[in-house]
Amino acid sequence: AQTVTQSQPEMSVQEAETVTLSCTYDTSESDYYLFWYKQPPSRQMILVIRQEAYKQQNATENRFSVNFQKAAKSFSLKISDSQLGDAAMYFCAYRRTQGGSEKLVFGKGTKLTVNP
Amino acid sequence: GAGVSQTPSNKVTEKGKYVELRCDPISGHTALYWYRQSLGQGPEFLIYFQGTGAADDSGLPNDRFFAVRPEGSVSTLKIQRTERGDSAVYLCASSLTGLAVTDTQYFGPGTRLTVL
Repeated sequence: AQTVTQSQPEMSVQEAETVTLSCTYDTSESDYYLFWYKQPPSRQMILVIRQEAYKQQNATENRFSVNFQKAAKSFSLKISDSQLGDAAMYFCAYRRTQGGSEKLVFGKGTKLTVNP
Repeated sequence: GAGVSQTPSNKVTEKGKYVELRCDPISGHTALYWYRQSLGQGPEFLIYFQGTGAADDSGLPNDRFFAVRPEGSVSTLKIQRTERGDSAVYLCASSLTGLAVTDTQYFGPGTRLTVL
């Protein structure tokens, strides 16, 4: 079974600075998707960024980018120019690609605090 | 609708009671997922619907949990003989088809269930 590990229960960053959240995963499959979701206090999970395992190029979405190291099974999220609105729980998630209907497997999350 | 909606937002019940949690997916989405998020944990998969049928119910913890989606739109998660360990946030997500590798799961705000 696939597992996702987030080793940082909490992280903090100063406004306008950069922070990196770590994620590792375990799978025997060669093709899959990886995601970072943000969960603010409102509880609604919001997709931040997605990476396809067969793509070597790291995904980017505005201030958010990933460092995907397939051999190391590592998938970290970098947030540049941090804003107060970035404060939330961040979850790393894995999904198989077979059939496209597979469940998401989540890590335990990292709580990000942004200090003004 | 504009997004996934879930009702009620909060539900408090007594041990042994029966509860129903409702999910309204994004209009036109055929795939619907239920997840359970315990305190301090990431969401855990419960069940996935493709249309009216449960395509994967491997995450349901026991036979006290049941879910339906009779018309392929709204879904209801039903919990019989609730136990204190059932206390959690129950999240619903939907995606366009559930069959495409590029499908994104969009989450609702969840229902916080408290069993006293």
